[in-house]
Amino acid sequence: AQSVTQPDIHITVSEGASLELRCNYSYGATPYLFWYVQSPGQGLQLLLKYFSGDTLVQGIKGFEAEFKRSQSSFNLRKPSVHWSDAAEYFCAGGSQGNLIFGKGTKLSVKP
Amino acid sequence: EAQVTQNPRYLITVTGKKLTVTCSQNMNHEYMSWYRQDPGLGLRQIYYSMNVEVTDKGDVPEGYKVSRKEKRNFPLILESPSPNQTSLYFCASRDGLANPNEQFFGPGTRLTVL
Repeated sequence: AQSVTQPDIHITVSEGASLELRCNYSYGATPYLFWYVQSPGQGLQLLLKYFSGDTLVQGIKGFEAEFKRSQSSFNLRKPSVHWSDAAEYFCAGGSQGNLIFGKGTKLSVKP
Repeated sequence: EAQVTQNPRYLITVTGKKLTVTCSQNMNHEYMSWYRQDPGLGLRQIYYSMNVEVTDKGDVPEGYKVSRKEKRNFPLILESPSPNQTSLYFCASRDGLANPNEQFFGPGTRLTVL
């Protein structure tokens, strides 16, 4: 069955430190992969997406993600976290039609 | 401005009182869907629609109905709401059926069923 897994429920990093949020997918073929961010009380904002081609994709707000087929992963990274990055992050994967979301990773940022 | 709108944004109701949450998009998208978001469970799809008069169940359809009479609108109907339907609901749309375009999400509707 198709699935998207985010192994970390909650991560805390210090402001200015680097960040990596993990996402693993299980699909028969290469899925379309997305990262969304949800700030408290807000809707979902698309950070970046991968369809094909270059496996390193750049997104908004300084985020990037790398698609690794051998590891079935699509981890989200940022070199230096800002306090405003505190939010919940969702990885999602889709084939034809539907998106399957991971359960989310809540990011807290320490001053 | 391209957007997905939902109404109401907040709703408190009682068990058994029928309600409808409206969703409208102005991007001429064929594909629309409804999700519910619950803590620790992420977003789960309730229903989706690939075009007018074409709808199908998602992962958690029990207790919900939808209709797609017009391309722009995709209302979510709870005929007899129950407390376990207390949740945050998102409507989304995207264009094309095979195109892997991003889904555009509405602002969410927070529903409380007492």
